[in-house]
Amino acid sequence: DAKTTQPTSMDCAEGRAANLPCNHSTISGNEYVYWYRQIHSQGPQYIIHGLKNNETNEMASLIITEDRKSSTLILPHATLRDTAVYYCIAFSSGSARQLTFGSGTQLTVLP
Amino acid sequence: KAGVTQTPRYLIKTRGQQVTLSCSPISGHRSVSWYQQTPGQGLQFLFEYFSETQRNKGNFPGRFSGRQFSNSRSEMNVSTLELGDSALYLCASSLLAASGEQYFGPGTRLTVT
Repeated sequence: DAKTTQPTSMDCAEGRAANLPCNHSTISGNEYVYWYRQIHSQGPQYIIHGLKNNETNEMASLIITEDRKSSTLILPHATLRDTAVYYCIAFSSGSARQLTFGSGTQLTVLP
Repeated sequence: KAGVTQTPRYLIKTRGQQVTLSCSPISGHRSVSWYQQTPGQGLQFLFEYFSETQRNKGNFPGRFSGRQFSNSRSEMNVSTLELGDSALYLCASSLLAASGEQYFGPGTRLTVT
């Protein structure tokens, strides 16, 4: 699976949009971009995934660049409960591989 | 729909002992994956079971083993515990094997003394 690069940490004001970037310049054509988050001492939580089109669900939006070398997870109105480590993972489902979690981005939502 | 449940939530064991952790997946999910999370190594994949068969295994010693039952519930066992086995053990379930969309349980916090 392609390696992803994320900033170590980011801050966001409560109520504002949180934009979390992820670089995956070596992503292959059949790899999806997955986002998870992990609130302290809890299990990771699946957020969203996409291949090349932008995706939106009740939690977040995922914007993938046309060349697929990077993506941005958008939390439209961040709350204190969104403070967590966010993981971006490039993964090809149905393969013999498994999800590989990197270091992620520690997002801190400030009051 | 109930989420993934793991029991016990907390466990303290002594070096050399063995431990069994249990995971009940989301109803209808047939794949269960196990992960170990430590401050130093992060989240690391242990193994995945699908339809009672281990289909993938991470880079862990043979002391770590698992199994899955016909109702998709899974257990993992660690024998001859070492201090370094202290970690949060997470179970995740998914509909299909090798899926990127996995749903995690709250984890079992194992402390080895």
